[in-house]
Amino acid sequence: AQSVAQPEDQVNVAEGNPLTVKCTYSVSGNPYLFWYVQYPNRGLQFLLKYITGDNLVKGSYGFEAEFNKSQTSFHLKKPSALVSDSALYFCAVRENYGGSQGNLIFGKGTKLSVKP
Amino acid sequence: DSGVTQTPKHLITATGQRVTLRCSPRSGDLSVYWYQQSLDQGLQFLIQYYNGEERAKGNILERFSAQQFPDLHSELNLSSLELGDSALYFCASTPGGSSYNEQFFGPGTRLTVL
Repeated sequence: AQSVAQPEDQVNVAEGNPLTVKCTYSVSGNPYLFWYVQYPNRGLQFLLKYITGDNLVKGSYGFEAEFNKSQTSFHLKKPSALVSDSALYFCAVRENYGGSQGNLIFGKGTKLSVKP
Repeated sequence: DSGVTQTPKHLITATGQRVTLRCSPRSGDLSVYWYQQSLDQGLQFLIQYYNGEERAKGNILERFSAQQFPDLHSELNLSSLELGDSALYFCASTPGGSSYNEQFFGPGTRLTVL
């Protein structure tokens, strides 16, 4: 069964510093990986995805993620954090139904807090 | 704005009651997914519809059911409600025909069961 793990409940960084939010995955077959962000009382917003190709994926709002097959990781990164990046971040893997569209399996989320 | 709409935004009801949550996908999207977000269970997939047909089922209780109509909007029906059903319910949509597309989420319906 597919799964993702976000080992940190919360990540605290100072504004202007680089940030990393960790995610590891377990899948059978090729992983389709996603990052979403959730602001308070809002729905989830798509940040980026890895399907195939370059291991470094660039997404919205200056975020990027590094796919590492040997470590089964897909960590979210940003070179310089903003206070407005403070939110709940979810890593997800697409359920593999053998080719058809599948639902997402989410990690439990990591709360990012960026202090001025 | 993702283009996915959900109504109502908030719903407060009593145990034992039945409610219906509505979702309109982005224009042209054929797939609709329903998810439940609660503090103890996190974000869990409930059910997926594709062009009117059920495509996949997740951790959906027998008291819950869903359907997708010819105009592609979807409804999630929750019956015999229990306190533990209090949660945020999201729907998401994707276009048809590709397994690589990201899902676009609606703003959610917050259900409170008293």
